[in-house]
Amino acid sequence: DIVMTQTPLSLSVTPGQPASISCKSSQSLLHSDGKTYLYWYLQKPGQSPQLLIYEVSSRFSGVPDRFSGSGSGTDFTLKISRVEAEDVGVYYCMQGIHHPWTFGQGTKVEIK
Amino acid sequence: QVQLVQSGAEVKKPGASVKVSCKASGYTFTSYGISWVRQAPGQGLEWMGWISAYNGNTNYAQKLQGRVTMTTDTSTSTAYMELRSLRSDDTAVYYCARGDWNYGDYWGQGTLVTVSS
Repeated sequence: DIVMTQTPLSLSVTPGQPASISCKSSQSLLHSDGKTYLYWYLQKPGQSPQLLIYEVSSRFSGVPDRFSGSGSGTDFTLKISRVEAEDVGVYYCMQGIHHPWTFGQGTKVEIK
Repeated sequence: QVQLVQSGAEVKKPGASVKVSCKASGYTFTSYGISWVRQAPGQGLEWMGWISAYNGNTNYAQKLQGRVTMTTDTSTSTAYMELRSLRSDDTAVYYCARGDWNYGDYWGQGTLVTVSS
């Protein structure tokens, strides 16, 4: 199975400041079809995971443009340009190139 | 709007079975698959398997092979996940998610399954 490793595991951010989460995969997520199957989810407290970013850098419907994803191959980053109070929760990266999907351990983001 | 509504919480004894439902609305059910993901208390996310709502093809996580069955009922746009021979470490919130082979976009609200004697 592909191992997904996130850093840091927790982040305390002042509102309005940027935040960045790193995700590394144990093998390349670039498929022969040219797509890279890396996703970012946010699980707010007491809620289901919600899709933020698909295929590395595409924002899902309704996701604010302060969220951006980048990276290639095995190294990926999620950035929040200006953290807001509603952004608290646990962020997960996930690979979907192979079954089983595997998730990072999660990064807990809290507001200072 | 796309919605996935799951069945309510369950309490089961070790060795029993549980069947969780996931009723979809707001889209053409057979145009997407359904994945199931579970989350043990205070833990991360674990993929359990995927089913095509178009043709019923399935792919299960190896560790659950033989204990899990995923099905769909296209007449009611409902997906089901049955887990048998329950153990205490199956205690978790179970989520369904609409999607294709590679990811899930919309998720259900989750169903807590508690396995306890």
